[in-house]
Amino acid sequence: EVQLVESGGGLVQPGGSLTLACAASGFSFSDYWMTWVRLAPGKGLEWVASIKKDGSEKYYVDSVKGRFTISRDNAENSLFLQMNWLRAEDTAVYYCAGGAFSPDYWGQGILVTVSS
Amino acid sequence: DVVITQSPLSLPVTLGQPASISCRSSQSLLYSDGNTYLSWFQQRPGQSPRRLFYEVSKRDSGVPGRFSGYGSGTYFTLKISRVEAEDVGVYYCMQGAHWPRTFGQGTKVEIK
Repeated sequence: EVQLVESGGGLVQPGGSLTLACAASGFSFSDYWMTWVRLAPGKGLEWVASIKKDGSEKYYVDSVKGRFTISRDNAENSLFLQMNWLRAEDTAVYYCAGGAFSPDYWGQGILVTVSS
Repeated sequence: DVVITQSPLSLPVTLGQPASISCRSSQSLLYSDGNTYLSWFQQRPGQSPRRLFYEVSKRDSGVPGRFSGYGSGTYFTLKISRVEAEDVGVYYCMQGAHWPRTFGQGTKVEIK
């Protein structure tokens, strides 16, 4: 059974940092591009970042460039999202997803709240 | 960036009646490998997104046959032939042909 389990969310002050992790199992992690997608309150889904199978290519939405870093550890079947200089508008449920052309596996999501 | 325009944004439907959602892209989603990367996702209340279709019309395992996806180039449609109560939720299209990836605004399907 495919599982993607996010962790690391929580409440953080504006300007603060947080690192999300996603533990993958049940599929060949190293054969998949991986993606982070978020859902802000009252908004629609927003693609955040994707990383190639071997980590050699990374892509970001403009609003997080220079602040967020996507990375992966294929030996540990894990995906990460380092988030720095967090803003109120980064408040959202963050989903880890398998695939970048068309994500087919999704985690349950983890809430990140940026507030003072 | 590729802009994806979905319509309608709200879709009240009577049980058993058909429903249709359109998705228009500002650029062609035909990729250099010959595939068209337009996907449809369903997000039921309180759940994670679930993919329904990839490459326009390829149905994912477990997706009921009353759902169909079609289109080409820049115009795509998701159709539900007869809406059931379990179809309530928000539906999104997403393009996977260009960076950054982009989603449509979402269409909220509810029962009248």
